[in-house]
Amino acid sequence: DTEVTQTPKHLVMGMTNKKSLKCEQHMGHRAMYWYKQKAKKPPELMFVYSYEKLSINESVPSRFSPECPNSSLLNLHLHALQPEDSALYLCASSPGGRDSRSVATNEKLFFGSGTQLSVL
Amino acid sequence: DQQVKQNSPSLSVQEGRISILNCDYTNSMFDYFLWYKKYPAEGPTFLISISSIKDKNEDGRFTVFLNKSAKHLSLHIVPSQPGDSAVYFCAARNLYGQNFVFGPGTRLSVLP
Repeated sequence: DTEVTQTPKHLVMGMTNKKSLKCEQHMGHRAMYWYKQKAKKPPELMFVYSYEKLSINESVPSRFSPECPNSSLLNLHLHALQPEDSALYLCASSPGGRDSRSVATNEKLFFGSGTQLSVL
Repeated sequence: DQQVKQNSPSLSVQEGRISILNCDYTNSMFDYFLWYKKYPAEGPTFLISISSIKDKNEDGRFTVFLNKSAKHLSLHIVPSQPGDSAVYFCAARNLYGQNFVFGPGTRLSVLP
């Protein structure tokens, strides 16, 4: 299994809603990532989990809350979002290094197909 | 401030000819570079990579060239095929870092 699976594929939510995005991989990867991509812009890193520990948080607002229940699953909990948060949310995984602070020299990202989020 | 730049938003090439996509970076700590391809409504897929100890890496129709002194890399696709039409992202990271920084992308159209 070489896939990263994201659900749902599309999500429309109001500014007062609480929703969660889910991501799953079964490649044995130890690093998982959330990226946000606006139209005609590059993916921007939000969070990185390495060995189920949050290793990078790119100053993301607290209305986005990541969770890594185990090495195969990654969630992004959404609460009180703003219309400008509408974007494609991409999950990715990579093999990871020997421990939570290292990466393999040829580390590369495997992306899911994303969740297209619209905040009304 | 963009650390990874792709100055051509779009490129059109005739089928069978060579496509050359360019990428420049500003962070001298970047040591590993990747190219990703993205179709609409799909996530980016890995294409080819190169580390700073090399100046060329080849995989079938795809070749990446790295000029570290100029902080420039390029992706060559030859021969180009209509199925290559997609958005191509250049990405870079520190050799031991987990932060992959992406360029804005170049939309390649290969015309039959």
